[in-house]
Amino acid sequence: QSVLTQPPSMSGAPGQRVTISCTGTNSNIGAGSVVHWYQHFPGTAPKLLLFDNNRRPPEISDRFSGSKSGSSVSLAITGLQADDEADYYCQSFDNILRGPVFGGGTKLTVL
Amino acid sequence: QVQLQQWGAGLLRPSETLSLTCVVQRGSVSGNYWSWIRQPPGGGLEWIGEVDQYGSTNYNLSLQSRVTISKSISGKQFSLSLTSVTAADAAVYYCARSKVGVMEGASFDSWGRGIMVTVSS
Repeated sequence: QSVLTQPPSMSGAPGQRVTISCTGTNSNIGAGSVVHWYQHFPGTAPKLLLFDNNRRPPEISDRFSGSKSGSSVSLAITGLQADDEADYYCQSFDNILRGPVFGGGTKLTVL
Repeated sequence: QVQLQQWGAGLLRPSETLSLTCVVQRGSVSGNYWSWIRQPPGGGLEWIGEVDQYGSTNYNLSLQSRVTISKSISGKQFSLSLTSVTAADAAVYYCARSKVGVMEGASFDSWGRGIMVTVSS
């Protein structure tokens, strides 16, 4: 049972926009802890996609963006491409557990 | 770009001690923080703990009684030890770098490729 809640799966057609949600509580996201997102292709090292809610590392496309509202955050992917098909994880800091916590991951399928 | 190379035993019996090492290649240990994170089969990611350049550590509260993370004297390697493993500890174990400590809301910007650890009698 992950501390942060993500939908287990989502799908979209090429070119579409998809949004992946990540819901926390008032001990993590709701308390103002920043959220980071990772893209993971099974069998490889996870890749940092967004940090500090909505900042992109230099090598990450601007098709990826983040937003936050209360205890929830969202990762938006525009212009969906076949190679976006991967697992996506959110991560934040929990004040009660005193450490980083992750969502259970969302498997994105490009139709 | 930091590269992390991992190694260690991938098959353990229950009650044994898991030992993994991560080598920092093409990057500096100084000024960075080094974590271990695991992912059980079909499950999500779980942070295990971190060590900084001085050897100071923070651990996941649920694992801290069994975990030790240490940094080598040379500073280019750090290790994970997890005692008394059970089937619940079977997972892919990753090492990762953050530029700030987890208590400051760190993100993990470089990861190793992961090692699958199986626990079976």
